[in-house]
Amino acid sequence: GENVEQHPSTLSVQEGDSAVIKCTYSDSASNYFPWYKQELGKRPQLIIDIRSNVGEKKDQRIAVTLNKTAKHFSLHITETQPEDSAVYFCAAITQGGSEKLVFGKGTKLTVNP
Amino acid sequence: EAGVAQSPRYKIIEKRQSVAFWCNPISGHATLYWYQQILGQGPKLLIQFQNNGVVDDSQLPKDRFSAERLKGVDSTLKIQPAKLEDSAVYLCASSPRGTTDTQYFGPGTRLTVL
Repeated sequence: GENVEQHPSTLSVQEGDSAVIKCTYSDSASNYFPWYKQELGKRPQLIIDIRSNVGEKKDQRIAVTLNKTAKHFSLHITETQPEDSAVYFCAAITQGGSEKLVFGKGTKLTVNP
Repeated sequence: EAGVAQSPRYKIIEKRQSVAFWCNPISGHATLYWYQQILGQGPKLLIQFQNNGVVDDSQLPKDRFSAERLKGVDSTLKIQPAKLEDSAVYLCASSPRGTTDTQYFGPGTRLTVL
């Protein structure tokens, strides 16, 4: 089945710096890659997603890149702010049998003022 | 638009007891998911319904977990009997059609098994 590896597990940056979180996946048939943000004690919320027919997608300070050949995708946050502090999860669709989302283990991002 | 509702928010039980969680998805959403999120890990899919039919339950421990979605709307997840390792947050999510639509999560139920 699908396996999603996420790195790093923790990331600390200064306010205004950029943050990059990387994920790799194993199922070459995967075609949908969402990123979720989960603040402490709250529900995961979708922040951006990308499908396999594009290589990059941007939404204000957030961008996601996808390299299908290497089977990895990354989340880029520019001009980080303290409110970006949260746990970020990447996920990929597994195509084996029924489609389902497989999540990475998460990256705890801390933005220091 | 109302979000995904779950209850209870917190539950503490002794091992070998039973517990049930309830989920009300966003109105009109065909697909409903139950995830288990153990502390420090990403959500893991337990079961996925399309309307009132099961699409995937391959990771549901069927000897102790059961779930149903009556009339294709609300859903309940039950654990009987509970084990210590079932301590986790149980998240319900829904999406308009299928897995590649945005999944909207509920607030979760935090279960502690003593």
